Amino acid sequence: AQKVTQAQTEISVVEKEDVTLDCVYETRDTTYYLFWYKQPPSGELVFLIRRNSFDEQNEISGRYSWNFQKSTSSFNFTITASQVVDSAVYFCALSAKEYGGSQGNLIFGKGTKLSVKP
Amino acid sequence: KAGVTQTPRYLIKTRGQQVTLSCSPISGHRSVSWYQQTPGQGLQFLFEYFSETQRNKGNFPGRFSGRQFSNSRSEMNVSTLELGDSALYLCASSYGGVPGELFFGEGSRLTVL
Repeated sequence: AQKVTQAQTEISVVEKEDVTLDCVYETRDTTYYLFWYKQPPSGELVFLIRRNSFDEQNEISGRYSWNFQKSTSSFNFTITASQVVDSAVYFCALSAKEYGGSQGNLIFGKGTKLSVKP
Repeated sequence: KAGVTQTPRYLIKTRGQQVTLSCSPISGHRSVSWYQQTPGQGLQFLFEYFSETQRNKGNFPGRFSGRQFSNSRSEMNVSTLELGDSALYLCASSYGGVPGELFFGEGSRLTVL
């Protein structure tokens, strides 16, 4: 079974639309970390956010917001008023000792490819 | 400051050959991790080094190996290449400690013919 599931393989929206990328994770650990990364066509993954399992506050950073819900094991990512430059593949990731989690060992979902059309 | 640098960016090898990929982390970063990215399997963790010691290893055969030097630069080696080893190999560096922000390079794209 996948430990990090991103059910949406591809999403296409028109500029200025809001879009939510879903992420569901699985772990028995009580302490774990969740991440979102962005991979533009250049290939280099770019860190967006980290949350630890004890912090369920939603976070907003500009047009980006994240909704962490332990009750549903979800960590969803919303882009408000999307722009063409948001086009990329977005990955959700998990670090948990159950899976040998350490500084550099993250379990990544399969990614969601977001295309924003002008 | 300079980002994570990976060399070579592209390479083509034939089955049975071996390959060495290099990664220079961001100055001051002591942790280097390697990932393999393929369309089918996605991003998979290969190994992690911290202060020249392998701290963690993913589920890959022994043909995949790595090392880290005293200046934190890292290399990974794949011996007896197979067609399935064709992938984008990504290196990431970080300060070390609590799982946190990883800084990735642009990757080395390996094609095995």
